[in-house]
Amino acid sequence: NAGVTQTPKFRVLKTGQSMTLLCAQDMNHEYMYWYRQDPGMGLRLIHYSVGEGTTAKGEVPDGYNVSRLKKQNFLLGLESAAPSQTSVYFCASSYSSFSGTGIPNTGELFFGEGSRLTVL
Amino acid sequence: KNEVEQSPQNLTAQEGEFITINCSYSVGISALHWLQQHPGGGIVSLFMLSSGKKKHGRLIATINIQEKHSSLHITASHPRDSAVYICAVRFWETSGSRLTFGEGTQLTVNP
Repeated sequence: NAGVTQTPKFRVLKTGQSMTLLCAQDMNHEYMYWYRQDPGMGLRLIHYSVGEGTTAKGEVPDGYNVSRLKKQNFLLGLESAAPSQTSVYFCASSYSSFSGTGIPNTGELFFGEGSRLTVL
Repeated sequence: KNEVEQSPQNLTAQEGEFITINCSYSVGISALHWLQQHPGGGIVSLFMLSSGKKKHGRLIATINIQEKHSSLHITASHPRDSAVYICAVRFWETSGSRLTFGEGTQLTVNP
C-alpha cells in the first residue's frame, strides 16, 4: 500500500498562474483534507471532504478550489496563484468513526509527504 | 474561541532523558491526536485518544478530560526522536471532523 501520495512534491509558479495538486489514497478512507503549513503557525485546514462527491470549506479556503470525483482522489486547485499562497501543502485522509453518542469522529490521520509551492 | 496551546515551544534534551510535552485546549473535545513531523517534513500519527492513557514503545500519551490537558512523554530519549511534535484536537462544537492544531513543539535530543 502506498498510503497517501501527493503530486507534485515541488512547484514554482508565477503570480496569476494556475495549478492543481493531486492527493491519492489507497486505504478506502472516507475523509480527506488539504492543509497548509506556514512558519510559526499550526496546520490550517483549507478544504475537506467527508465522502465522494462532497467538499466543504475549512479555515482558509479563499483562493482555492477542490474536487472529489473519486473516493481515492482529492484535488486542490489554485486558479490564480498569489505570493501569499507560498506554503507547504499537506493532504491527509482518515476513516470515520462514531462515538457512543453517534457523533462522527475522526480516525487516525494519514498524511502525504507534502508539496512545497512557491509563488513568485 | 477554540484554542490549542502547546508547551514548551522548544525543548533540548540529552540522550536518555525523560521528556514531557504538554497540550492544553479551551473547550470540550471528542478526540485528541499527537503527531510527529520529521526534519524532512513528513507527518505521522502517533496517538489518537479521547480518555486515559496509551503507550507505544517509548512513547506514552495521557489525557485529562476534566483539566482539558494532554501530555506526551518520551522515555529514554534518543537523537532520532528529534522532531516537531504536534497536538491536534476535535472540538465538540466543530462539525465535519475538523481538527484544530497546536503550533508544535520542536524537540532536539543531543547525543
